[in-house]
Amino acid sequence: QAQLVESGGGGVQPGRSLRLSCAASGFIFNNYDMHWVRQAPGKGLEWVAVIWSDGNTEYYADSVKGRFTISRDNFKNTMYLQMNSLRVEDTAVYFCARQWEDITGTGMYWFDSWGQGTLVTVSS
Amino acid sequence: DIHMTQSPSSLSASFGDRVTITCRANESINSYLNWYQQQSGKAPKLLIYAASSLEGGVPKRFSGRASGADFTLTISSLQPEDFATYYCQQTYSRPITFGQGTRLDIK
Repeated sequence: QAQLVESGGGGVQPGRSLRLSCAASGFIFNNYDMHWVRQAPGKGLEWVAVIWSDGNTEYYADSVKGRFTISRDNFKNTMYLQMNSLRVEDTAVYFCARQWEDITGTGMYWFDSWGQGTLVTVSS
Repeated sequence: DIHMTQSPSSLSASFGDRVTITCRANESINSYLNWYQQQSGKAPKLLIYAASSLEGGVPKRFSGRASGADFTLTISSLQPEDFATYYCQQTYSRPITFGQGTRLDIK
């Protein structure tokens, strides 16, 4: 059974950096595209970034583009989110999620496994 | 960006009630629509994928339907564990976007 465990959250001042990790187990990590999704306190879900299974392609939400970098180490079964120039509005619980693709080849996909989340608080 | 609008934003219902939540995209997304349930303080959980397919292990009282630009999630008979927040998600194009959520609580 797939398991995802985030770590690295904490309190940080505006303008500083933080790196989150997502450790995967129970599945062949390098077969799956992986995502970060965040949730500000009391708010809804916001997609942050995706990295393809081979680590060679990434996409970002406009709100984090140029400040956040998603990466992965397929030997360590771990995904990362390097967050630079943090802002107060980046305060959120950050979830990692596995992408599952429709096997019939439609191109549809969804997030079938999620971690428990790690809280990032940006405050002066 | 594709904007997803859920309605209602909140809903009060009783055990055994049938409830329906609607999600509408501001442009065509075919059936690239998924539904998640989130209990307070927990990670989201996949319920329905591709608009109408039930994820394994999810009770059959949950169902999804697509009708034109509208997508619905129906719970046929509310159980205590169903009181949570529900989100739709489109994966038709990037950026992936979610509806704002529908909070379902006990009347």
